[in-house]
Formats: sequence, structure tokens, C-alpha cells
Amino acid sequence: NAGVTQTPKFQVLKTGQSMTLQCAQDMNHEYMSWYRQDPGMGLRLIHYSVGAGITDQGEVPNGYNVSRSTTEDFPLRLLSAAPSQTSVYFCASSYGNQETQYFGPGTRLLVL
Amino acid sequence: AQKITQTQPGMFVQEKEAVTLDCTYDTSDPSYGLFWYKQPSSGEMIFLIYQGSYDQQNATEGRYSLNFQKARKSANLVISASQLGDSAMYFCAMREALYNQGGKLIFGQGTELSVKP
Repeated sequence: NAGVTQTPKFQVLKTGQSMTLQCAQDMNHEYMSWYRQDPGMGLRLIHYSVGAGITDQGEVPNGYNVSRSTTEDFPLRLLSAAPSQTSVYFCASSYGNQETQYFGPGTRLLVL
Repeated sequence: AQKITQTQPGMFVQEKEAVTLDCTYDTSDPSYGLFWYKQPSSGEMIFLIYQGSYDQQNATEGRYSLNFQKARKSANLVISASQLGDSAMYFCAMREALYNQGGKLIFGQGTELSVKP
């Protein structure tokens, strides 16, 4: 049981490049979400999903896309990276949206 | 207005002593949950403890306990018998139930705890 896994651990992008941050969980959790952590601002919700095929926007969704084709995977796509997207990204999952969320190890992203 | 406030940016505690990390919150939702997460220098977010707004007793998990004072809107984390491995950033978080389809957690700014040998 690996829990919540994220890849890559670290990524450097140039402005305008696109990339996908991967997130997977093996706990059969219905709910998955993406947060970003910025210094002095805590974690903020980007997008979330309450089940396969269902996604919705969180607090800071601009510049990001998500999809949920399977229960296990919830990738986050950066369409055209900007320096303001330099951050640490965390994926989380739980049995339901009112249950305890368990976080992955995070992806550190630097946009130059 | 901040919904979760952690007023202690950094704290020191001697090994084997107890320490209290403060957290106050603001919500008009009668149903909410309060969480504490630990973030060591390696960066992962580790769930420690949960308290529901309707729970009558304070939550406990091993050396962690949550001092829940509903009228004061505070949810302080108490770590007993501190260990060197407790050195980390600690985040208080709240999840409101109403109008929260996304199950969004609202995080405080964090408190950095350093345990001295």
C-alpha cells in the first residue's frame, strides 16, 4: 500500500512550457484534490474531484487543468507555465470530501 | 479575514517536555472539522489529529492531543514528551461543511517547532 504518490519530485520549467504533474493513490479513495503551498500563504486548493469523471475548481484554478479518468489517478496540467506558478504542489485523497485527507510527498516546481 | 490563525511563527521546546501550539479559527458554520498536520523538513504533509465540531471530548492520538475550546474558537495542539523527531512545521487546518462541495481545507500559516536536546 503506497498511499498517495506524486511524480516528479522536482521540476524546472521555462515560462510558456506545459507539463503534467502526476498523482496516484491505491487506497480506493473517491475524493482527490490538488493544493499549492506558497511561502507565507499556507496551502490553497486548486482543483478537486469527487469521483472518476467528476472534477471542479477550487480556490486558485487559473492556469491549471485536471481530469479524472480512473479512481486511482488525478493528473494536474499546467497549460503555459508562468513564474507565479513556482510553488510546491500537493495531491491529497480521502474516502469522501468530509473525511480526513492524506497528502502525497509533493512536487517542487520552479518556473524560470 | 483569516479563518485560521497560528500566532507562533516559531517555538522551542526542551526534549521530553510538553509543548502547546496555538490555533484559533473563525467560522459561522455550525458543522466543521479541525485538523493538525506535521510537515518535516523533507516536505511531506503528515496527518496528526482530527476534532469534529460536535465531538464532546478532546481528540487524542498517542502523544498528540487537541485542546478544543469551542466557545473560544481555539484548537490547540499539545505534544507531550517532545522528541527530537518532532522538530517540524505544524499546520492547523479547518474544513467547513456548508457550501464546501470541494471539501476544501483552510490552512493556517504554520508554526515551526524546534526540539532541543
